[in-house]
Amino acid sequence: DAGVIQSPRHEVTEMGQEVTLRCKPISGHNSLFWYRQTMMRGLELLIYFNNNVPIDDSGMPEDRFSAKMPNASFSTLKIQPSEPRDSAVYFCASSPTDPNQPQHFGDGTRLSIL
Amino acid sequence: GDSVTQMEGPVTLSEEAFLTINCTYTATGYPSLFWYVQYPGEGLQLLLKATKADDKGSNKGFEATYRKETTSFHLEKGSVQVSDSAVYFCALSDPGGFNKFYFGSGTKLNVKP
Repeated sequence: DAGVIQSPRHEVTEMGQEVTLRCKPISGHNSLFWYRQTMMRGLELLIYFNNNVPIDDSGMPEDRFSAKMPNASFSTLKIQPSEPRDSAVYFCASSPTDPNQPQHFGDGTRLSIL
Repeated sequence: GDSVTQMEGPVTLSEEAFLTINCTYTATGYPSLFWYVQYPGEGLQLLLKATKADDKGSNKGFEATYRKETTSFHLEKGSVQVSDSAVYFCALSDPGGFNKFYFGSGTKLNVKP
């Protein structure tokens, strides 16, 4: 079975540039989560969707961050403009809505903003 | 609100030692509990889970028991290997809907040969 697929795996760009991270959830999963992981702050939930609808974006750090889920098989997280402090590993996870089921994580996108 | 507290790391053990990583939780409902493992450069992988009180989750020699009376879900392994070196996360699911998770801060385990 294909797991959660994220792209790109690595991204290095200069501050001020737009960054777009992509995620393909596991087929049949109707909840999707975006996380950010840093040494300083650990694992942070940024936003999550259910049935393609954003449920809670209170973890999005600033208006520079936005996320969309145009259909059940694709989501994006965009940072515009990017800043060095956005450097982190960004994970996407998906799950069924059932709280007895685990979230399944992608391998992450390692983002470096110079 | 719901939350998870894990013991601070790093934890350093010799190969074949006994491992315990403590995890306690606060929840308003009846959550499911999970342990995840993260190897360097990889995403979080499910290690084991328990969905109700007194359930024991187990996998790859690791086990944890859902203790409602002590609100705990401690991870144990009888004999660790160098390959178990990783970061371990305890988590609970929000039973209120959408399967939102609350994660602990993670505990880094180093196993020396």
